[in-house]
Amino acid sequence: NAGVTQTPKFRVLKTGQSMTLLCAQDMNHEYMYWYRQDPGMGLRLIHYSVGEGTTAKGEVPDGYNVSRLKKQNFLLGLESAAPSQTSVYFCASSYSRDTGELFFGEGSRLTVL
Amino acid sequence: GQQVMQIPQYQHVQEGEDFTTYCNSSTTLSNIQWYKQRPGGHPVFLIQLVKSGEVKKQKRLTFQFGEAKKNSSLHITATQTTDVGTYFCAGRLDTGRRALTFGSGTRLQVQP
Repeated sequence: NAGVTQTPKFRVLKTGQSMTLLCAQDMNHEYMYWYRQDPGMGLRLIHYSVGEGTTAKGEVPDGYNVSRLKKQNFLLGLESAAPSQTSVYFCASSYSRDTGELFFGEGSRLTVL
Repeated sequence: GQQVMQIPQYQHVQEGEDFTTYCNSSTTLSNIQWYKQRPGGHPVFLIQLVKSGEVKKQKRLTFQFGEAKKNSSLHITATQTTDVGTYFCAGRLDTGRRALTFGSGTRLQVQP
């Protein structure tokens, strides 16, 4: 039982390049989330999904796209990376919308040069 | 902007001293959760508070949820070096939004 797995764990991009972060969970959770963490800013929600085939915008969605084609996977895409997107990205999942605790992946550190 | 504020941002204590972090929301929360993130790690769930005025304890940790459900606190008694990390509160705003809003976190450093 791996929980929440993120790939890749580290990536360096040049400005304008694209990439996709993959999040996979094996807990059969309905809800999945992408957060970014920057020093002094805590965790800010980028996008989230309340079930397979659904996505919604969070606090800081600009410059990112997401897809939830399968219940266990939640992909975060950067179409044209910018230095402001240098951050640590965390994926999380939960079994309940209103009361569920979040289970986090180990994080993906992205640097955009 | 961020609607869940957390103070202090950083605290350095001697081992054995107490520590408290406070979380305040501009709007009523349906519930609040607390997470701990060790240096270089990922956030790990500690506890959830749901009821107005609720108090929960986990060994040396005491969690409180305010009567108005707009604030919360985490108190650690007699800190240990294993308590080092960043503590985040996360509130579910009572506005129908389906995701948690995290505070900016309090980084705790414990000197042996």
